[in-house]
Amino acid sequence: GNSVTQMEGPVTLSEEAFLTINCTYTATGYPSLFWYVQYPGEGLQLLLKATKADDKGSNKGFEATYRKETTSFHLEKGSVQVSDSAVYFCALRSNSGGSNYKLTFGKGTLLTVNP
Amino acid sequence: DSGVTQTPKHLITATGQRVTLRCSPRSGDLSVYWYQQSLDQGLQFLIQYYNGEERAKGNILERFSAQQFPDLHSELNLSSLELGDSALYFCASSASAGSGANVLTFGAGSRLTVL
Repeated sequence: GNSVTQMEGPVTLSEEAFLTINCTYTATGYPSLFWYVQYPGEGLQLLLKATKADDKGSNKGFEATYRKETTSFHLEKGSVQVSDSAVYFCALRSNSGGSNYKLTFGKGTLLTVNP
Repeated sequence: DSGVTQTPKHLITATGQRVTLRCSPRSGDLSVYWYQQSLDQGLQFLIQYYNGEERAKGNILERFSAQQFPDLHSELNLSSLELGDSALYFCASSASAGSGANVLTFGAGSRLTVL
């Protein structure tokens, strides 16, 4: 079945530091890949997505590239801010067709950015 | 505001009781998904409905059931509650077709505490 593995947290960085959160996946075919973010006390929000190999998703300074050869979708940001403190989830959706668009999530990585 | 509305936000109840969680999807979305988020299990997919019909089932216990009504809102019923059912329950919705169908929009969640 499908699965997502992301780096264990928590991750603690200083403001303006470089961020990488690793994510690898197992899936049949060509899944779509996503990063969701959950701020304290809130629901999940889509951060970025990529639907095919070599696509780069980007939003709010975050980037992730769909690497089929390494089955990875690592999240990066060049300079983090305190407001980026949140839990980050990597997820995949199998494109087997139909109207079933359920996501399989990784366990989440807690990021804390200190001023 | 994501457009997905969940009620109640918080619920405290006792073991053996039954509760109902409600979700109104984003306007125009036909699919509703239920997820359970707990510290040990992470985000687990429970069930999906599409335009009133069950479309996919995940790790949903027999004590739990759901339905989607003609106005597209959905309810998740949890019965014979156990301490281990304490969790955040998220509802998400997705569009019926097109590129938007590939993205799930999440509500803020219902936090259930079983004492």
